[in-house]
Amino acid sequence: EIVLTQSPDFQSVTPKEKVTITCRASQSVGSALHWYQQKPDQSPKLLIRSASQSISGVPSRFSGSGSGTHFTLTINSLEAEDAATYYCHQSSSLPVTFGPGTKLEIK
Amino acid sequence: QVQLQQWGAGLLKPSETLSLTCAIYGGSLRGYYWNWIRQPPGKGLEWIGEINESGGSNYNPSLKSRVTISVDTSKNQFSLNLSSVTAADTAVYYCARGCRGCPGDYWGQGSLVTVSS
Repeated sequence: EIVLTQSPDFQSVTPKEKVTITCRASQSVGSALHWYQQKPDQSPKLLIRSASQSISGVPSRFSGSGSGTHFTLTINSLEAEDAATYYCHQSSSLPVTFGPGTKLEIK
Repeated sequence: QVQLQQWGAGLLKPSETLSLTCAIYGGSLRGYYWNWIRQPPGKGLEWIGEINESGGSNYNPSLKSRVTISVDTSKNQFSLNLSSVTAADTAVYYCARGCRGCPGDYWGQGSLVTVSS
């Protein structure tokens, strides 16, 4: 099973700040690494697929990069509505797995 | 627009079987894998398993002995059965559409299942 780790676990940030969340995989997942946003009492929402591919309807301030075992999600010019927990997810091999999440709090 | 709507019993006693169903609206079973994922209160996401239109399934080894996922093509829906539940199975259960190597793009609304005596 591929284990995903994320850093930081929690971050308190101010609006308009730039945020970077890191996801590391225990073995290479190629580019089969995706990012979700989850707000309280909501289903996860796909933000980025295949490491860096944007999703229709997702604001352009969200971007992803990386390959192999090291990936990043960047949020440029953070907005209040971005308060949520962010999960990375690998679909390279079964069982598919998720990172433990990074909770963003907006000051 | 694809929508997934799920339902099932929300309160179970230990040793009972959890049963949930997910119906697909605005799309077809064909060409995708249909997933179940769960999230214990305040915790992260755990993949349970998947099934395709032909009934081919894969399960998380950690749950494999207790899980059955089935598909009903005539009703455009798929189902999850998890046997011998314990308090550790208390979670919000989600259904989601995916494909081989790709992420879940459409998710159900989630179903809270509580296991308590």
